[in-house]
Amino acid sequence: GAGVSQSPSNKVTEKGKDVELRCDPISGHTALYWYRQSLGQGLEFLIYFQGNSAPDKSGLPSDRFSAERTGGSVSTLTIQRTQQEDSAVYLCASSLGGAGQETQYFGPGTRLLVL
Amino acid sequence: AQSVTQLGSHVSVSEGALVLLRCNYSSSVPPYLFWYVQYPNQGLQLLLKYTTGATLVKGINGFEAEFKKSETSFHLTKPSAHMSDAAEYFCAVSENNFNKFYFGSGTKLNVKP
Repeated sequence: GAGVSQSPSNKVTEKGKDVELRCDPISGHTALYWYRQSLGQGLEFLIYFQGNSAPDKSGLPSDRFSAERTGGSVSTLTIQRTQQEDSAVYLCASSLGGAGQETQYFGPGTRLLVL
Repeated sequence: AQSVTQLGSHVSVSEGALVLLRCNYSSSVPPYLFWYVQYPNQGLQLLLKYTTGATLVKGINGFEAEFKKSETSFHLTKPSAHMSDAAEYFCAVSENNFNKFYFGSGTKLNVKP
């Protein structure tokens, strides 16, 4: 079936504005992850959703960042009052979840530029 | 917290030469280890993984990696590089619940003709 999709592919915004990034996981995947990849850096874990459980938000860098996952499928990552240091590629991944099903499938990412 | 170190942000090899990409991790519990590859203008995809069992794991495109607990390493190798192997490679670690993955900063592999 279709892979993980993310939108928009690119986003340019002004400092102080809010942005919403969308992730459509692979159908049937219960686990969903958000990562941030800054220039020259590895992937930084942001948040993890598994089924109906409370999300693991331990990677969110500040309270300006939030994410939700509606109906166990589509997820939205929201960054409020964007700052220039938020500029990065935001990657979403999904997996079937659990031992033996932990392979993550990544989307193409959203490249965010905060001016 | 876990940390993953990939030595060498850029590695250059000649076509046909051995590829060795290094990954070391810090973990106080048995880890689960992964290598992902990102080809130019594509998303990350799984190359191989170690979860349990044999410590030498084989992946796609002729790559393999060996989990060495005593060295806390999971180095990626391929006997003979191909031009199509040029990509960025990421090592990742997860603990036993897969709710969080720690990625290294990546190694860009360049293959020279």
